[in-house]
Amino acid sequence: AQSVTQPDIHITVSEGASLELRCNYSYGATPYLFWYVQSPGQGLQLLLKYFSGDTLVQGIKGFEAEFKRSQSSFNLRKPSVHWSDAAEYFCAVANRGSTLGRLYFGRGTQLTVWP
Amino acid sequence: NAGVMQNPRHLVRRRGQEARLRCSPVKGHSHVYWYRQLPEEGLKFMVYLQKENIIDESGMPKERFSAEFPKEGPSILRIQQVVRGDSAAYFCASSPPGTGAGNTIYFGEGSWLTVV
Repeated sequence: AQSVTQPDIHITVSEGASLELRCNYSYGATPYLFWYVQSPGQGLQLLLKYFSGDTLVQGIKGFEAEFKRSQSSFNLRKPSVHWSDAAEYFCAVANRGSTLGRLYFGRGTQLTVWP
Repeated sequence: NAGVMQNPRHLVRRRGQEARLRCSPVKGHSHVYWYRQLPEEGLKFMVYLQKENIIDESGMPKERFSAEFPKEGPSILRIQQVVRGDSAAYFCASSPPGTGAGNTIYFGEGSWLTVV
């Protein structure tokens, strides 16, 4: 069965510092990979997605993620964090050949940004 | 989000009452999904519907929960005889058909159900 692991429940960084949020998945083949962000009381916004091709994916708000097949990872990065980035971040996967809407989510990583 | 509309945004129900959550997908999207987010957890898939059809309900609790997506009107997630454990955020998402790289799914802003 597919599973998504976000090992860090809570991360705190200073504004302007770099950020990396980890995501590992368990699946027999390379799935579709996503990162979503959720602000308190809000829905999910798609940051970026990986389907195929270049393993370094650029997203919105200055985020990027790198797919590493050998490590079954899809870590999210940002070189300089802004206070408005404080939110919860979810990694998700979908099976290739299946409907895109059938996603498996990690538990999320809560990001706190110190001024 | 890109136009998935959910209502109500917040709903309070007493134990034993019914909760109805509505979802209007992005215009032109024929696939609707419902997810539940329990406190301190990620989203869990519940059900996948197309117009007038339930495609995958493997994530739906066996009792008290039902979903529909009629030919006309929004998709409805119905919870009968609610219990405190049903308190959660319920998210609807929609997508166009197909799994091409240009497609993606869009989430609504969620409906927060509180059972008192």
